[in-house]
Formats: sequence, structure tokens, C-alpha cells
Amino acid sequence: GDSVTQMEGPVTLSEEAFLTINCTYTATGYPSLFWYVQYPGEGLQLLLKATKADDKGSNKGFEATYRKETTSFHLEKGSVQVSDSAVYFCALSGGGDGYNKLIFGAGTRLAVHP
Amino acid sequence: GAVVSQHPSRVICKSGTSVKIECRSLDFQATTMFWYRQFPKQSLMLMATSNEGSKATYEQGVEKDKFLINHASLTLSTLTVTSAHPEDSSFYICSARLPGPKPYEQYFGPGTRLTVT
Repeated sequence: GDSVTQMEGPVTLSEEAFLTINCTYTATGYPSLFWYVQYPGEGLQLLLKATKADDKGSNKGFEATYRKETTSFHLEKGSVQVSDSAVYFCALSGGGDGYNKLIFGAGTRLAVHP
Repeated sequence: GAVVSQHPSRVICKSGTSVKIECRSLDFQATTMFWYRQFPKQSLMLMATSNEGSKATYEQGVEKDKFLINHASLTLSTLTVTSAHPEDSSFYICSARLPGPKPYEQYFGPGTRLTVT
């Protein structure tokens, strides 16, 4: 079945550092790809999405590009802030398991220090 | 934005008892709700898909007689863990999906931490 693999955390950075969280996927068909963020004590929120190859999703300074050739959707931000500290989940839908299901990676915890 | 609440946020119960977790969409009607389970440092695993007014669809390996799901209205779904055992201790998360052409737009509740002693 479909699956998502993302880098293990925690990732610890100083404020204004560059962030990359790697995500790769395995899926049949043409899935849509997502990044969700979970702030402490809150539910997961959709951060950004890309629905076809070469699309770039962006939001709040975060970006990720759908790379079909490398089956990747890495999350990047040029300058992180303390308020970005959260758990980030890469996910897909619309592969072999259809659009009703979201397949999540294990999550990567990001801690940003002043 | 769309808000989903869960109650309780934490619950401790004794082995052999049952516990009910509620999931509510506060400002929209959700024809479909999802229940996930999350183990420490692991991914969210979909347990079941709940459609209003019909029986839930369970994922392979999930015991439907143990995890009872009821979606009696467009704003409320409940998950009842029956005859709970310590191995059922976990973080349970629900989500609700807006009707329409964007099936990936699921709005998540904050989760319920279940501890079975």
C-alpha cells in the first residue's frame, strides 16, 4: 500500500536558521501531497499542499515542491522562528488507497530556540 | 476556520471498563468523520471512516466490536472503546471533512489521551 517516510526528529534549530524536513513517498497513481502542522495542545492543521508534479505549495514562509522523479516533498523554510516549534507531518492521498484516506508519515518534531 | 473539538482531552480508566470519546464539528456540518490512533513517535493510523447515518467502515485489523463508532448527527461522532485493556492506551484523534470536491480538507480535533490501568 501507499506509504510516507519522513526524517526522524527532533530537529533543533536556532532562530533564523534554515529548515529542511525530508519526506519521500511510495504510491500508485498520482497522489496529492500535504504538510500538516500540530502545535502543542492543538489539532493538526493543513500547512500546504501540492496536487500534481512540479507544483510548489507554500504558506507562512514554508515551501515544498512535488518531485515525482524523486518521489519527494521536502519541507523548507528560510528563517525559522520560535513560534514554528511544532510537529510536522507529511501526508498523501489519492494514491492506491483513494482520496478518502490520508496516509501520514511519523511526524517530525521541530524545536526552535531563541 | 472549521473547528473540531474532542472530549475528553484525557481519560484514565480501569481495565475492563468502557470509555466514550466525543468528536464534534463546531461550525460546520460533517458528513464524514475519521478516527485515528497515534502511538508515541509513530504516525497517525486511520482506524475507521464514519459517515452520518450509516455504519462506519473499519480499516483492516481494527476490531469493530471493540471500537464502536456512532455518527448520529452531522456534527457529532463518538468512539467507544469497550472492555478496555492497557494495550488500548493511546492518543485518539478525530477529523471531520467538509462536503465538496476537496476530500483532503480534513479538520482535526486536538486528540484524546486514553490511559488504561
